[in-house]
Amino acid sequence: ELKVEQNPLFLSMQEGKNYTIYCNYSTTSDRLYWYRQDPGKSLESLFVLLSNGAVKQEGRLMASLDTKARLSTLHITAAVHDLSATYFCAVDDGGATNKLIFGTGTLLAVQP
Amino acid sequence: DTGVSQNPRHKITKRGQNVTFRCDPISEHNRLYWYRQTLGQGPEFLTYFQNEAQLEKSRLLSDRFSAERPKGSFSTLEIQRTEQGDSAMYLCASSSHRSDFTGSEQYFGPGTRLTVT
Repeated sequence: ELKVEQNPLFLSMQEGKNYTIYCNYSTTSDRLYWYRQDPGKSLESLFVLLSNGAVKQEGRLMASLDTKARLSTLHITAAVHDLSATYFCAVDDGGATNKLIFGTGTLLAVQP
Repeated sequence: DTGVSQNPRHKITKRGQNVTFRCDPISEHNRLYWYRQTLGQGPEFLTYFQNEAQLEKSRLLSDRFSAERPKGSFSTLEIQRTEQGDSAMYLCASSSHRSDFTGSEQYFGPGTRLTVT
């Protein structure tokens, strides 16, 4: 059974600092997604990573995928308050339905 | 197309009542998913439709839950005899086939927040 773990679960950081969120998964998959969720809202797609070594960047966020290590990272550069949200990684289970298995999320709070 | 829509956005019901939620996927998407998200957790898969066929159901989907997708367009999720443990956000997502017939990226709707009192 595919399991997805994120760490840290909670991250408080100051504006201007850099940090990385980690996403580990337990079985082989070559599709990983990062989503952002604001309180009481639905999921906003950030990145789709479809192959080993994939790296994508948007603004202050950069995501990478290492399928051999079963690890994805979401790197935050020079954080700003607007990045405060919960971030989820989700892994395609690789079955016929391509359902997503989500991590528990990382609550990011960027302090001024 | 404005994306996946869900109705209602919020539902408060008393324990024991039945509730029904609706999801309208992106019009050209033939794949539709329901997920449930409880407070402080990531979404968990409930069920999957390809066109009108329900092809997978999670063990989370007890016999009080039923989902349909008549004609392969909108979908409904019904919960009978609601319990307090059913309180959650119910999310719908849709996607299309990729060229290799596996699923493309899933697009999520705004969700229906259910509160059972």
